[in-house]
Amino acid sequence: DQQVKQNSPSLSVQEGRISILNCDYTNSMFDYFLWYKKYPAEGPTFLISISSIKDKNEDGRFTVFLNKSAKHLSLHIVPSQPGDSAVYFCAASAGTNAGKSTFGDGTTLTVKP
Amino acid sequence: GAVVSQHPSRVICKSGTSVKIECRSLDFQATTMFWYRQFPKQSLMLMATSNEGSKATYEQGVEKDKFLINHASLTLSTLTVTSAHPEDSSFYICSARRTINYEQYFGPGTRLTVT
Repeated sequence: DQQVKQNSPSLSVQEGRISILNCDYTNSMFDYFLWYKKYPAEGPTFLISISSIKDKNEDGRFTVFLNKSAKHLSLHIVPSQPGDSAVYFCAASAGTNAGKSTFGDGTTLTVKP
Repeated sequence: GAVVSQHPSRVICKSGTSVKIECRSLDFQATTMFWYRQFPKQSLMLMATSNEGSKATYEQGVEKDKFLINHASLTLSTLTVTSAHPEDSSFYICSARRTINYEQYFGPGTRLTVT
């Protein structure tokens, strides 16, 4: 049973446009959500996070939206840049397992110049 | 941001030998470190949670006698793959968690190839 799902394995976007990466979860105990970016043969790097008490968190070009009733979150990147091309992982953790995150399978974003 | 290093970055070993991978938090103390494994085109699979000064907690299906974890200090955790076999070939990534928040800082990963 996969508790965190990223249903789109890949996404291609034109430079300057918006990239929207989606993530769904099933465990209602999750109360903290994170997005990581990963280049090939490197470890993931933290991008942005959101607590379940919020529905939006913004950091520069990156905004994460959380819809608790739908158990859905999304990452918006505006404007998209070629350097954003990478694999994006959604992760979720529950307060009782602080730091022990469950990861989705990732979405490969390609931003075309 | 916080820095986590892994050594070696790449290792090739023969079947039956053991390999040790080090994970270090360079600019902060990490009471908790995590070890992940990533198969090609797949997500990160958590193998175990390593707590400084205590035994590691292994995820279901991960053999603790095969993947030995030692978290000897607040800045160092090691993963030893014992009696490695070709199916152990993978990308192993560690992460360290600050005590104050949920954020994990990942190492660059170690590519293990068992021949």
